[in-house]
Amino acid sequence: EDKVVQSPLSLVVHEGDTVTLNCSYEVTNFRSLLWYKQEKKAPTFLFMLTSSGIEKKSGRLSSILDKKELFSILNITATQTGDSAIYLCAESGNTPLVFGKGTRLSVIA
Amino acid sequence: NAGVTQTPKFRILKIGQSMTLQCTQDMNHNYMYWYRQDPGMGLKLIYYSVGAGITDKGEVPNGYNVSRSTTEDFPLRLELAAPSQTSVYFCASSGAGEGDEQFFGPGTRLTVL
Repeated sequence: EDKVVQSPLSLVVHEGDTVTLNCSYEVTNFRSLLWYKQEKKAPTFLFMLTSSGIEKKSGRLSSILDKKELFSILNITATQTGDSAIYLCAESGNTPLVFGKGTRLSVIA
Repeated sequence: NAGVTQTPKFRILKIGQSMTLQCTQDMNHNYMYWYRQDPGMGLKLIYYSVGAGITDKGEVPNGYNVSRSTTEDFPLRLELAAPSQTSVYFCASSGAGEGDEQFFGPGTRLTVL
């Protein structure tokens, strides 16, 4: 059974800090790894990674995939209170997306 | 485009009652999904569909049924509601299936008492 493990489960930082969220996966026939941000309602898409070693960036957020070591990280620099959310990692293999439990990030002023 | 819409937003059921959660997408996506999210947990796949007339079980299908008679609609039926089905339910759709970005509806918060 495919498995996705995220760490840490929760994190509290101050505005301006840089954070790194981790996602490891075990999957048969890996296709892609996706990151989502979930605030109070539905998850919203951040990144999809399919190739190892290629960083995807969007503003202060970036993500990279290591297919050899089976993990991905999501970096957020200069954090703001609006970054407070649950960040979900999901992988796609033989089945539709399998989600991790998420990392709850709290950014305090 | 409205994207993915779900109704109702909230519902309280008594044990043993039945109900249907509605999901509609207007993006002409072939793939549609139903997830449930329990407090402190990630999303668990209940059922999915790769096109009209085709459905398949996900990780936690017991107690639920689905149908896909049109590309746009993917209703989720709960028969004989149980407290264990108290959760937030999300419907999602994607254009190309596995590995493709999924677009989520706003969710339905269901409580079974």
